[in-house]
Amino acid sequence: AQSVSQHNHHVILSEAASLELGCNYSYGGTVNLFWYVQYPGQHLQLLLKYFSGDPLVKGIKGFEAEFIKSKFSFNLRKPSVQWSDTAEYFCAVNAHRGGATNKLIFGTGTLLAVQP
Amino acid sequence: NAGVTQTPKFQVLKTGQSMTLQCAQDMNHEYMSWYRQDPGMGLRLIHYSVGAGITDQGEVPNGYNVSRSTTEDFPLRLLSAAPSQTSVYFCATWFPGAPDTQYFGPGTRLTVL
Repeated sequence: AQSVSQHNHHVILSEAASLELGCNYSYGGTVNLFWYVQYPGQHLQLLLKYFSGDPLVKGIKGFEAEFIKSKFSFNLRKPSVQWSDTAEYFCAVNAHRGGATNKLIFGTGTLLAVQP
Repeated sequence: NAGVTQTPKFQVLKTGQSMTLQCAQDMNHEYMSWYRQDPGMGLRLIHYSVGAGITDQGEVPNGYNVSRSTTEDFPLRLLSAAPSQTSVYFCATWFPGAPDTQYFGPGTRLTVL
């Protein structure tokens, strides 16, 4: 069965620090990869996604992620975080199986707290 | 265009009570899903539907029923609520072949006493 691992459960950073959140998945076939963000009291919003092509994808608010197929990883990065980036971040994988792409598997989330 | 709406926003039940969480979308998306979000466990898929009349189980289907009689609505039923079902429930929709256009509803916070 597919699974997604986020190894950082809780990250605390100061403003302007660089961010990298790890995400690893287990599935040998074709995958679509996503990072979602959930700000306090809000629902999930898509940050960025990878389907194919350039493994370095750029999303909203200065976030980017790199797909490394050999490592089954899709780590999220931001060079300089802001207080407003305080949120919970979820990695998700949608594994292809002959066209059925309706199952999105989420990681357990990483809670990021940015201190001003 | 309301997107994905969920009702109620908050609900408190007693053990053994039944209720239905509503999810409606006005985007004509074929795919709809229900997730539950629990601390330290991320979002887990309960049930999903690939179109009217078609539903299937996700990771944690026990204790929940769904039906999909129309494209717009995908209600989630708790037949006999248990404290373990205390969670935040999210409904999501997307159009097949375009998983980047997933939309999540605002969530329903359910407490079972």
